[in-house]
Amino acid sequence: NAGVTQTPKFQVLKTGQSMTLQCAQDMNHNSMYWYRQDPGMGLRLIYYSASEGTTDKGEVPNGYNVSRLNKREFSLRLESAAPSQTSVYFCASSERAQSEGYGYTFGSGTRLTVV
Amino acid sequence: AQKITQTQPGMFVQEKEAVTLDCTYDTSDPSYGLFWYKQPSSGEMIFLIYQGSYDQQNATEGRYSLNFQKARKSANLVISASQLGDSAMYFCAMREGLEGYQKVTFGIGTKLQVIP
Repeated sequence: NAGVTQTPKFQVLKTGQSMTLQCAQDMNHNSMYWYRQDPGMGLRLIYYSASEGTTDKGEVPNGYNVSRLNKREFSLRLESAAPSQTSVYFCASSERAQSEGYGYTFGSGTRLTVV
Repeated sequence: AQKITQTQPGMFVQEKEAVTLDCTYDTSDPSYGLFWYKQPSSGEMIFLIYQGSYDQQNATEGRYSLNFQKARKSANLVISASQLGDSAMYFCAMREGLEGYQKVTFGIGTKLQVIP
């Protein structure tokens, strides 16, 4: 089925470890996003890529890096995981023309626990 | 000020009844859009409905409608004929800007429970 694929679905890390969350979409969308979801705080934007070859910081970028590998793939890297990064991470993609009312298509999420 | 405010942490509705989930927003951008997303207990986020700031009519998508009151800066979601499968978290979101990057801000959500 067409959509956004995130891996892994679950991950437990020790403080200080690194990992990369993978995201791929097959809808030929230009824009891709990484959000984190924490209880009582909704979704907060970590990084986004408006188009292939560009990335920019969102609301909460500290402790993360991203790579827009090609139009399909957008990865999120935690270089040195901290307990404050325990969260559910969502990748999303969209057509550039959000003004036309295209909502995001979300991946199924990655539940990350840092101990 | 919060960009998106959802003041109802939890709501209950009887099956087959209608329910309104509240959302107010704050922006000075003349061009913006409002979205509603559903998050069932399985965790995925599902796009439901969109309303643009220049749209003259309220958006509708099946049993979902968006009660857009621009002067009051509110964009409430109305679900008609509630079903058990409507039990979920519901998030209101706002897109600001027209060209280039269009920032989307999410509210903290409302948990809806449909009672048989």
